[in-house]
Amino acid sequence: NAGVTQTPKFQVLKTGQSMTLQCAQDMNHEYMSWYRQDPGMGLRLIHYSVGAGITDQGEVPNGYNVSRSTTEDFPLRLLSAAPSQTSVYFCASSYSVLNTEAFFGQGTRLTVV
Amino acid sequence: GDSVTQMEGPVTLSEEAFLTINCTYTATGYPSLFWYVQYPGEGLQLLLKATKADDKGSNKGFEATYRKETTSFHLEKGSVQVSDSAVYFCALLTGTASKLTFGTGTRLQVTL
Repeated sequence: NAGVTQTPKFQVLKTGQSMTLQCAQDMNHEYMSWYRQDPGMGLRLIHYSVGAGITDQGEVPNGYNVSRSTTEDFPLRLLSAAPSQTSVYFCASSYSVLNTEAFFGQGTRLTVV
Repeated sequence: GDSVTQMEGPVTLSEEAFLTINCTYTATGYPSLFWYVQYPGEGLQLLLKATKADDKGSNKGFEATYRKETTSFHLEKGSVQVSDSAVYFCALLTGTASKLTFGTGTRLQVTL
């Protein structure tokens, strides 16, 4: 089982550049989400989706866009990268949002210079 | 809003020592509680969970009991191994919020 697959694993961007972090899951999960992990701050939710065509903002959405055109894919777009977006990004999926196990990808380490 | 407070790390223990990692929470309603573990270079994976008061979650020798009266979900293991070295995250989920709320994580280092 592939589970949750994130690409790329590492990325360096220059300030102002844009890019898309890819996330795909093969478990037919309805709920998908993006987190960023920063030292001393744990994981913070950026955006989430409860199904294809439905997305919503988390606690730190500024500077990021998402879309969910299929059940499997949930890409995260950085519109104009800033050094404050240097972080480790995790995609997660679960069967539903309530009381079920969340499966995480291996993460993308992004550095913005 | 919902929040989770974990003890600061890192926690350094010798192999076979007893482990406790404290976790307390603030939440509206009746949350489900989770411990996730992150091994070096990997994503988080579920370690154990409890969905109602007095439930005990257990897995791989780890245990945690949902204590509503003290709003706590402390993680314990009787005898840690080097392979338990990782970062441990306490998290909660309520029905009113479509997201997991994580603590800041506690790094555990187990030495021989």
